[in-house]
Amino acid sequence: DQQVKQNSPSLSVQEGRISILNCDYTNSMFDYFLWYKKYPAEGPTFLISISSIKDKNEDGRFTVFLNKSAKHLSLHIVPSQPGDSAVYFCAASALTFSNTGNQFYFGTGTSLTVIP
Amino acid sequence: DAMVIQNPRYQVTQFGKPVTLSCSQTLNHNVMYWYQQKSSQAPKLLFHYYDKDFNNEADTPDNFQSRRPNTSFCFLDIRSPGLGDAAMYLCATSIFVGETQYFGPGTRLLVL
Repeated sequence: DQQVKQNSPSLSVQEGRISILNCDYTNSMFDYFLWYKKYPAEGPTFLISISSIKDKNEDGRFTVFLNKSAKHLSLHIVPSQPGDSAVYFCAASALTFSNTGNQFYFGTGTSLTVIP
Repeated sequence: DAMVIQNPRYQVTQFGKPVTLSCSQTLNHNVMYWYQQKSSQAPKLLFHYYDKDFNNEADTPDNFQSRRPNTSFCFLDIRSPGLGDAAMYLCATSIFVGETQYFGPGTRLLVL
């Protein structure tokens, strides 16, 4: 059962505009969320994270919003640049309840294309 | 720069021929993970080590084994690769379980 879902497999945005990537999760125990960016033939690169005690975290052009009641998070990229074209994965874990058996749950990814 | 290194980047093996993928890290992290990722799918956790403690996911086939001889290195052994094992294999590390994971570049395995 997919506990983290990214329902949009792809997204195209014009350069300079906002990119919004969405992620939904089902497990209410998740309290730590991350976004990874992946270029072809490379491993995922950590982009930004947010813990459940916050509803927003910002790092330069990247902002992650968390809506706990809706079990939804989103990544906003403003302004979008052609170099942002990549696959974006969201991931979640139950950090507070972490034990040696805990793990990250990944979504299936959204492929973002920023058109020059 | 501290990093996670995977060798080789591309590996071709024959059906049924054992293969070993390697991962090393200079981050001095406690936890090392192996993921399998197939096209358009989420990375699937196979197992992880917390220091020397091995944690196998329930649905990881017996065909997949792992070794961690020291803090820096972790190996993925596929004893008898099948065509369905062709995938990208990602190694990751974190300080503690559940915290931010840092990935290597991956090894793409092709099974002929």
